[in-house]
Amino acid sequence: SQQGEEDPQALSIQEGENATMNCSYKTSINNLQWYRQNSGRGLVHLILIRSNEREKHSGRLRVTLDTSKKSSSLLITASRAADTASYFCAKETSGSRLTFGEGTQLTVNP
Amino acid sequence: EAGVAQSPRYKIIEKRQSVAFWCNPISGHATLYWYQQILGQGPKLLIQFQNNGVVDDSQLPKDRFSAERLKGVDSTLKIQPAKLEDSAVYLCASSLEWGTYGYTFGSGTRLTVV
Repeated sequence: SQQGEEDPQALSIQEGENATMNCSYKTSINNLQWYRQNSGRGLVHLILIRSNEREKHSGRLRVTLDTSKKSSSLLITASRAADTASYFCAKETSGSRLTFGEGTQLTVNP
Repeated sequence: EAGVAQSPRYKIIEKRQSVAFWCNPISGHATLYWYQQILGQGPKLLIQFQNNGVVDDSQLPKDRFSAERLKGVDSTLKIQPAKLEDSAVYLCASSLEWGTYGYTFGSGTRLTVV
């Protein structure tokens, strides 16, 4: 089964609002990564957080990782219409295997 | 730097026909992955190469799918014979060093089996 389950499956917000997506996983990880996918395109790497890290920032993105709860969250602040895309979390386990969840479809309305 | 190149961009074939996809990873990236992404789902790993050796092909349907990576650079993924359920986007990705950097994905090949 797929590891890295995202919640919610779909999220619709207004431009300027914050968007929060959550990801849970089942087994131990080396790191957890977040990717964005625009419709009909490939995946774009956003941020990588290692298992010994708790929080990471990149521009308007903030990722947290709670290994005790086996969960992560991605926060996009001050969202823009261009942020509309599918967001996937992916966990990297031993052997550099990267396993994706089913994704969250984010729609930012202008 | 140049990205991960994939071709063709689109392919339509009839069931039971064969098809091949090509991937050229970023220069210097030792690890190469093929993923299958069915519409509305997350990508599913098919096979992982480290240089020209297979690291993980546990989810590759070996009765119809095959892949190779010649000289540790380009890779091809083949389906023979194709089934309707193989309709998906096939994504290739490469990585310089796992655990440190994210993976770089190509734009994918959209396969439609009719």
